[in-house]
Amino acid sequence: NAGVTQTPKFRILKIGQSMTLQCTQDMNHNYMYWYRQDPGMGLKLIYYSVGAGITDKGEVPNGYNVSRSTTEDFPLRLELAAPSQTSVYFCASSYRDGEAFFGQGTRLTVV
Amino acid sequence: TQLLEQSPQFLSIQEGENLTVYCNSSSVFSSLQWYRQEPGEGPVLLVTVVTGGEVKKLKRLTFQFGDARKDSSLHITAAQPGDTGLYLCAGVISGNTPLVFGKGTRLSVIA
Repeated sequence: NAGVTQTPKFRILKIGQSMTLQCTQDMNHNYMYWYRQDPGMGLKLIYYSVGAGITDKGEVPNGYNVSRSTTEDFPLRLELAAPSQTSVYFCASSYRDGEAFFGQGTRLTVV
Repeated sequence: TQLLEQSPQFLSIQEGENLTVYCNSSSVFSSLQWYRQEPGEGPVLLVTVVTGGEVKKLKRLTFQFGDARKDSSLHITAAQPGDTGLYLCAGVISGNTPLVFGKGTRLSVIA
């Protein structure tokens, strides 16, 4: 069972570059989330979606964009990478009750 | 403002000791989860509690949801080195609100 799949696992970006972090889930979950986790810290919510075509901002949305054209996919876009966006990014999905399943994470370094 | 406050932030104990981790909020949650995260991995769900006063046991781990559904605790009996990790509480307030996380408690169990 694939669950939640994130790609890439690692990436180094130069300041000002753009990239898309991919996330796909095969559990038919309506809810999907993007979090970032800085070293030694908890998870901060960037964006979330309660279903295809619906997205909403979380706690730290600045510098990011998302789209949800299908139930399965929830890509996260960084338009102009900045050093402050160096972090580990986790995608997750859940049913309405909040029991979330996480991907393995994408470790992003902006230099 | 952090919606879910966890304490303590760090905990280092000897093998065989007992410990309790707390998760508090001023908001009422429709459900609350506890996750455990190991280095380089995404969080993994341990338990969900939904009823005020509910107690759930998972081997040596006991989870309790407060009567008012504003707080929760995780108690570990006879801790083992394999319990080492980051413990995160998370919850959903209601409806289409997103899953939000506390900052986590980093537990180290020394053999």
